[in-house]
Amino acid sequence: DAMVIQNPRYQVTQFGKPVTLSCSQTLNHNVMYWYQQKSSQAPKLLFHYYDKDFNNEADTPDNFQSRRPNTSFCFLDIRSPGLGDAAMYLCATSRDPGVTNYGYTFGSGTRLTVV
Amino acid sequence: RKEVEQDPGPFNVPEGATVAFNCTYSNSASQSFFWYRQDCRKEPKLLMSVYSSGNEDGRFTAQLNRASQYISLLIRDSKLSDSATYLCVVPRGGSQGNLIFGKGTKLSVKP
Repeated sequence: DAMVIQNPRYQVTQFGKPVTLSCSQTLNHNVMYWYQQKSSQAPKLLFHYYDKDFNNEADTPDNFQSRRPNTSFCFLDIRSPGLGDAAMYLCATSRDPGVTNYGYTFGSGTRLTVV
Repeated sequence: RKEVEQDPGPFNVPEGATVAFNCTYSNSASQSFFWYRQDCRKEPKLLMSVYSSGNEDGRFTAQLNRASQYISLLIRDSKLSDSATYLCVVPRGGSQGNLIFGKGTKLSVKP
């Protein structure tokens, strides 16, 4: 089945130690998104790639970076994780940017713990 | 007004009850709207899309009121399995139209 896969499901990292979360998709969608969701809060958009074009949200901290080496893969890099970065990180895709009738397809998320 | 605003609940209802959630949005240019369901510690999953005045799928009805800028979700004959958080999702204005999520309304259906 075509899908969005995130690895790992659970990630524990040390305070200040760089960590990378990965997302892959078999849907051949043009757009890939990274959302951060903290407990009892709404998923918050960090940035997205439309093909190779990177689009950062204005309030995304510099500590968060992303890479998309090809259509299928997108990575979220947290350069120096702080305790406040503990959250669920959700990857999503859509065929095209802008409004779509089908919403986004989400991966199962990576739950990040910072110790 | 916030981009997307929902009553956080929780809504505690007995099985078989009818329950309705409301969501307000600020961007009057938004055209399509979505309700997502999110189970505890899982990813959001698309429940319904709303384009015109409303949409119905079995026990679920979504309605859109553009004049008042709100969307509602009605669940009839609630089941235990309906217990989840329901997220209202609205596209942000502009050419990209990225989806912006509400905080969600938590529903707990009791036997």
